Amino acid sequence: AQTVTQSQPEMSVQEAETVTLSCTYDTSENNYYLFWYKQPPSRQMILVIRQEAYKQQNATENRFSVNFQKAAKSFSLKISDSQLGDTAMYFCAYIMDSNYQLIWGAGTKLIIKP
Amino acid sequence: GAGVSQSPRYKVAKRGQDVALRCDPISGHVSLFWYQQALGQGPEFLTYFQNEAQLDKSGLPSDRFFAERPEGSVSTLKIQRTQQEDSAVYLCASSPAVNTYGYTFGSGTRLTVV
Repeated sequence: AQTVTQSQPEMSVQEAETVTLSCTYDTSENNYYLFWYKQPPSRQMILVIRQEAYKQQNATENRFSVNFQKAAKSFSLKISDSQLGDTAMYFCAYIMDSNYQLIWGAGTKLIIKP
Repeated sequence: GAGVSQSPRYKVAKRGQDVALRCDPISGHVSLFWYQQALGQGPEFLTYFQNEAQLDKSGLPSDRFFAERPEGSVSTLKIQRTQQEDSAVYLCASSPAVNTYGYTFGSGTRLTVV
């Protein structure tokens, strides 16, 4: 069965610093997709970044980038120049190709301090 | 609409009461999902609709949970005879089709059973 593990329940950094959130997953599939979602207090899940497993190049979206290590089954999120608005829960999620069920990690609470 | 809309935003129910939670997906989105998110946890899959057809209800925790999408747009999640363990945030998500680009989520309904 596929599982997603986020080993950091909570992290706290100063504004403008860089922070890395960890995620590991377990799967026997070769084709799949990985996501990082942000959930602020408003509760809406917001897609931050997406990675296709068959692409070696790491995805980037402005201040957000990932370090995707397929062999190690690791998918970490780096947030550069962190801002107060980045304060939220961050969830790592996995979906198998040709499937529809997202498998979620337990989340990391990120606090950006002024 | 511009986004996925869920109502009510908060619901307090007495144990044993029936509740109905509404999801209004993005217009034209074929796929619709319900997730249950317990406090401090990642979301757990409940059920999946493709248009009006409920293709997967394997995540519904008991026969007290029932979901419908009669016209292929608005969906309702009904919980009969609510129990304290039903307390959670119920998230709805939609997408144009089954896809691996990530789904658009609503802000959820926080259900508290007292």
